[in-house]
Amino acid sequence: AQSVTQLDSHVSVSEGTPVLLRCNYSSSYSPSLFWYVQHPNKGLQLLLKYTSAATLVKGINGFEAEFKKSETSFHLTKPSAHMSDAAEYFCVVSENFGNEKLTFGTGTRLTIIP
Amino acid sequence: DAGVTQSPTHLIKTRGQQVTLRCSPKSGHDTVSWYQQALGQGPQFIFQYYEEEERQRGNFPDRFSGHQFPNYSSELNVNALLLGDSALYLCASSFGNRVQPQHFGDGTRLSIL
Repeated sequence: AQSVTQLDSHVSVSEGTPVLLRCNYSSSYSPSLFWYVQHPNKGLQLLLKYTSAATLVKGINGFEAEFKKSETSFHLTKPSAHMSDAAEYFCVVSENFGNEKLTFGTGTRLTIIP
Repeated sequence: DAGVTQSPTHLIKTRGQQVTLRCSPKSGHDTVSWYQQALGQGPQFIFQYYEEEERQRGNFPDRFSGHQFPNYSSELNVNALLLGDSALYLCASSFGNRVQPQHFGDGTRLSIL
C-alpha cells in the first residue's frame, strides 16, 4: 500500500522569503512522487515529478523538491515566495510512474503575507 | 491545444437522484481517471478507464460507475445520491502506456440537497 503524509496543513510565509512544504511517503515499491498545486475553484496543475532519475527535481515557477529515500521524504521548496504562490499544495505518490492510481496527501494551504 | 474539459461545471441534485458527469481528455491522451475531492480533503481515486475498460478501481461502492467511449471521452455515473457524495469531481487524462503524468480538468462541483 502507498500513502503520503503532509506534515503541515497550513504554512504562512512573507513575500520574498523561502517556502518549505513537507511530505513523507510510504510505498512498497520504488515510488513516483509528484507535487500538484490547486488554486481556488480550479483543477490541479503539476509542479514537478520524481520518477527514479535525479533526486533533486526542478519544477515550474521556481519550485524544486529533493527525494530522500533514507528519510522517505519529498519536501517542496522555493527560495523566494511570490503572492501568486498562495494556493493548496498536494504531495502525491504513484507506483507506476503516474500512469495509474494517484494517492494524494491531505494538502498544505500556503498563505503569502505581503 | 485543448486541455482536459469537464461538464457541467456545477450541478445540484437531491438525495436518491442519479447524475452523469462528462470528461473530454487532453488531445492525444487515451486514458481517463476520475477522482472525488471532498471539501478540505485531497482527491480520492475512483477509477481509471483505458481502451474502454475499467483498468483500476478505488474504494468506492458500485453506485459509482463509468464508461469510456471510442473517442476516449468518459462519463462518471453516480446512482442513489447521498449527501456525502457532495464534492468536486475531477477528471484526469494521460497516455496509457507512457511515462507521463496525469493532466487534470477544473472539475465538476456536485452539491446534494
